Amino acid sequence: AQKITQTQPGMFVQEKEAVTLDCTYDTSDPSYGLFWYKQPSSGEMIFLIYQGSYDQQNATEGRYSLNFQKARKSANLVISASQLGDSAMYFCAMRDTDSNYQLIWGAGTKLIIKP
Amino acid sequence: NAGVTQTPKFQVLKTGQSMTLQCAQDMNHEYMSWYRQDPGMGLRLIHYSVGAGITDQGEVPNGYNVSRSTTEDFPLRLLSAAPSQTSVYFCASSYSPGRGKKLFFGSGTQLSVL
Repeated sequence: AQKITQTQPGMFVQEKEAVTLDCTYDTSDPSYGLFWYKQPSSGEMIFLIYQGSYDQQNATEGRYSLNFQKARKSANLVISASQLGDSAMYFCAMRDTDSNYQLIWGAGTKLIIKP
Repeated sequence: NAGVTQTPKFQVLKTGQSMTLQCAQDMNHEYMSWYRQDPGMGLRLIHYSVGAGITDQGEVPNGYNVSRSTTEDFPLRLLSAAPSQTSVYFCASSYSPGRGKKLFFGSGTQLSVL
């Protein structure tokens, strides 16, 4: 069965440092998509970045990049030069044909940026 | 520029009451879904729809009904509220169910069942 694992329930990081949030996934489908969402304390879900299983290059969106290691089934989110506003919950999710394209979600990582 | 609109934002119910959470999107998305989020957990899929007239169950469908009579609207009905349904509910939509299609989320409904 498909599964997303986020092993870091919480992280504290000093402002301006880079952050890596871990995500591993499990699927037997060669065609899948991986997503990262941010949920600040206000509660809304904000899309950050997407990586397709056939994409040759790691995805980047501004300060966000995805360290995609297909053989290891790993899709870690990297935030460069962290800011206080990055404090939030971060969720990794996957969509594939086995799940009928439904999003499978990890439990999330709570990131706190220290000034 | 409305996107996905969910109402209400907050609701308190008594056990046994019924209610409908409303969800509407103005992006002509085929795919719509309802999730619930409990403390310390990721989102869990309740029901979803891949087009008008087509709905299916997700991971946790018991106690909820949905219908999709139009492309724009996807209401979630709680038939007889229970304290276990206290949660934050999100409606989300995408252009299609495809693997590369990101979900657009509503702002959420915080539901308390007493």
